[in-house]
Amino acid sequence: GQNIDQPTEMTATEGAIVQINCTYQTSGFNGLFWYQQHAGEAPTFLSYNVLDGLEEKGRFSSFLSRSKGYSYLLLKELQMKDSASYLCAAMDSNYQLIWGAGTKLIIKP
Amino acid sequence: IAGITQAPTSQILAAGRRMTLRCTQDMRHNAMYWYRQDLGLGLRLIHYSNTAGTTGKGEVPDGYSVSRANTDDFPLTLASAVPSQTSVYFCASSESSRSGANVLTFGAGSRLTVL
Repeated sequence: GQNIDQPTEMTATEGAIVQINCTYQTSGFNGLFWYQQHAGEAPTFLSYNVLDGLEEKGRFSSFLSRSKGYSYLLLKELQMKDSASYLCAAMDSNYQLIWGAGTKLIIKP
Repeated sequence: IAGITQAPTSQILAAGRRMTLRCTQDMRHNAMYWYRQDLGLGLRLIHYSNTAGTTGKGEVPDGYSVSRANTDDFPLTLASAVPSQTSVYFCASSESSRSGANVLTFGAGSRLTVL
């Protein structure tokens, strides 16, 4: 079956770095997405990886290893506004998105 | 501001009642989707539409129906609501459903409580 695993909750300190991991199993693969969702709001797009390696976008970076079925989202210089849930989603060979349950990130001052 | 508008924002209704959640986008996106989000679970696809005039079933379609008469509108109907349909419903759209870089734009969500 198809499956996405990511930690339920993580805690980090303002100004620090945090890495949120995601492992996936899909029938075929057409890319890995990360979305951010603040409490009570809609998910918003953060990143898309389809090739192995690291994609950097400001304070946020996303990494993909297709051979390992693994991705991570790296957040640097954490700010209080980064407190949110981070959703990992993999696209299968039929272009269907398989979503993880999300990782709730708590930032402490 | 370009985006997706959902209505209502929240609704409480009695079991057995019929309910339609409205979704309108102004980005001229071809594909539209309805998801439900429940605590501890990932987003689950209810129905989707790759283009105006076509619809398809997602992971959890039972008890729901959709229509796509034009590009902009994609209403979701619960014919006879049941308590298990209590959830937050998100409408989303994307330029194409057959593209790897298929970035979704989400509406603000509709919180539905069925008693």
